[in-house]
Amino acid sequence: KAGVTQTPRYLIKTRGQQVTLSCSPISGHRSVSWYQQTPGQGLQFLFEYFSETQRNKGNFPGRFSGRQFSNSRSEMNVSTLELGDSALYLCASSLLTSGSYNEQFFGPGTRLTVL
Amino acid sequence: AQKITQTQPGMFVQEKEAVTLDCTYDTSDQSYGLFWYKQPSSGEMIFLIYQGSYDEQNATEGRYSLNFQKARKSANLVISASQLGDSAMYFCAITENRDDKIIFGKGTRLHILP
Repeated sequence: KAGVTQTPRYLIKTRGQQVTLSCSPISGHRSVSWYQQTPGQGLQFLFEYFSETQRNKGNFPGRFSGRQFSNSRSEMNVSTLELGDSALYLCASSLLTSGSYNEQFFGPGTRLTVL
Repeated sequence: AQKITQTQPGMFVQEKEAVTLDCTYDTSDQSYGLFWYKQPSSGEMIFLIYQGSYDEQNATEGRYSLNFQKARKSANLVISASQLGDSAMYFCAITENRDDKIIFGKGTRLHILP
C-alpha cells in the first residue's frame, strides 16, 4: 500500500506570494492533518480534515487555509507569504477507527523556503 | 505550561548501549495518548510506540519500550541495544480526549557513536 505522498517536496517562493501544498493520504484514510515544523517553534498543528470538513484547527493566522476533496486528498494554502513561513510542512493521514487511538502516518513533507 | 517537555536537547550514546529519552507531560484529561516518533534527517516522521492513559502495561515494540509512570506524568522511551541507524531526532507527543491533534515536544537529537 502506498504511503502518504506530498507534493512538491521542495518549494521556493518570495514574500507576498501565495503557495499551495498537496497531500494524498494512504488509500482508505479519510482524515488528513497538517503540521508546520520550524527550528524555533518546533512541530505545530495546523488543521485536520475529515470527510471534506475541517474538524480541528491550530493557532495560526487566517493566511493559512486548507481543504479536502471527496477523494480525501488535501491541500493547504498560505497566502501573502512571510519569511517566517519558511518551514517543513508535514501531512499525516489516519483511518479514524473506533479503537483506542488513531495512528497517524506522516508523509515526507514539503520544505518551503520564503525569500 | 508546556504540554510535553523533553529536557535533553541532544544525547551521545555508544553503539549497542541502551538509551533512555526523557519525556514529561502535562494534561488534566483522564483520557490521553502518548506517542514517540523518530525523525531522520530525511524529515519523515516515523511512528515508534504508543501508550494509552488507561493502559496498565508499559508498551513495547521490538527494541522500543515506553516507561510509563502515570503519577509522575512521565513517558520515557527506552531503546535497547542501540544501532547507528537510531541516530535521529526523537519526539514525544500527546493527544488528549480522543482529539487527533498531536502536540509535540521540542525533541531530542540522538547520536549513536560507533
